[in-house]
Amino acid sequence: KNEVEQSPQNLTAQEGEFITINCSYSVGISALHWLQQHPGGGIVSLFMLSSGKKKHGRLIATINIQEKHSSLHITASHPRDSAVYICAVRSGNQFYFGTGTSLTVIP
Amino acid sequence: KAGVTQTPRYLIKTRGQQVTLSCSPISGHRSVSWYQQTPGQGLQFLFEYFSETQRNKGNFPGRFSGRQFSNSRSEMNVSTLELGDSALYLCASRQRTNHQETQYFGPGTRLLVL
Repeated sequence: KNEVEQSPQNLTAQEGEFITINCSYSVGISALHWLQQHPGGGIVSLFMLSSGKKKHGRLIATINIQEKHSSLHITASHPRDSAVYICAVRSGNQFYFGTGTSLTVIP
Repeated sequence: KAGVTQTPRYLIKTRGQQVTLSCSPISGHRSVSWYQQTPGQGLQFLFEYFSETQRNKGNFPGRFSGRQFSNSRSEMNVSTLELGDSALYLCASRQRTNHQETQYFGPGTRLLVL
């Protein structure tokens, strides 16, 4: 049983395309995080959401608490966006992670 | 400010041995979390410490333990290593301000158990 499901698992896009990564969860949460992991393992925290929508540069994250769903959008994608994007939720005393979406942006 | 640092970065051990990994959080951060990442299981939560107290614990056997010191530095220990403990161990320090929480991850320690 996976508490957090992400789709798609793999995504290839042309530079400039608009990208959407989806995350669904099955537990009650206090917060949802989007993380970015580059080859080599380094992880960067992109967003923490508990409601609504956040924007940072070309990245937009939304969450629908009623539907238990979040999306991460990348506008005007660039090869440097190539990474694994991971959705994580905090539920009570636990953290649960999605398996990640591997994004490759081709020049 | 310096980022989260983890030592060592790479480690090779044999089955049955024990290992201690260290994490120094960003200065001023009092919360430290540990995670295990493997190709098969992905990221999994190990523990969370705040002000020297373990606040939360993931679903790992008792061979995995940790502690946090008064300067917020944290260590995790794995005893009686198994091949399946080979993983990237990540530590993150957390800052929470005005309902906004940000985690800052360290580079990780890659453990290989032979």
